[in-house]
Amino acid sequence: SSQLTQDPAVSVALGQTVSIACQGDTLRNYYASWYQQKPGQSPVLVIYGQNNRPSGIPDRFSGSSSGDTASLTITGAQAEDEADYYCNSRDNNDNHVVFGGGTKLTVL
Amino acid sequence: QLQLQESGPGLVKPSETLSLTCTVSGGSISSSSYYWGWIRQPPGKGLEWIGSIYYSGSTYYNPSLKSRVTISVDTSKNQFSLKLSSVTAADTAVYYCARLGNVAAVAGSYYYFDYWGQGTLVTVSS
Repeated sequence: SSQLTQDPAVSVALGQTVSIACQGDTLRNYYASWYQQKPGQSPVLVIYGQNNRPSGIPDRFSGSSSGDTASLTITGAQAEDEADYYCNSRDNNDNHVVFGGGTKLTVL
Repeated sequence: QLQLQESGPGLVKPSETLSLTCTVSGGSISSSSYYWGWIRQPPGKGLEWIGSIYYSGSTYYNPSLKSRVTISVDTSKNQFSLKLSSVTAADTAVYYCARLGNVAAVAGSYYYFDYWGQGTLVTVSS
């Protein structure tokens, strides 16, 4: 089955822009979706498809994709954006799901 | 507003079978637009997809767990369930149920989990 690779940790200064990457062969064929998870809470969908935000997700969150890499960008990071972020996608070969290992975002 | 709620024992003995149920409220599990999935997260680690089911009963399992996993659906109760056999300490995790959207379009295809349960911690210990 496919794998998705994420950097374990990323940091950003308050108010600055940060991108979190997710790399994998399946992303050449399928868009990624992105989830935010804060300690002790369930994951929350923040971006899905080409660049769709569920209701209630601030517009500072955006998604993009190029080749085998998908990116989640936070423009003007806020303290409350400090969390773990996970990407996921459909597997290349069947109706399976694959998750990235997660990126811990620290807002300085 | 759609809600999902996991239920089941919080403690399972090694070699036994873990059984969890997810009850869906505020919407129908028989919606043709969605699958339903189980995801787990060991303490301090990342998310792992366990498997998914369609209301018709079609199932898809993580290859690494396939030999031990069974997911079933009961449309009359608006529930779907997970059974994981021969558990070990490595199966200790928070188990989540979630709704899985599936979009297949010319512009692009993708999966996404848009509604999640609160999660339930299952500990495997004697």
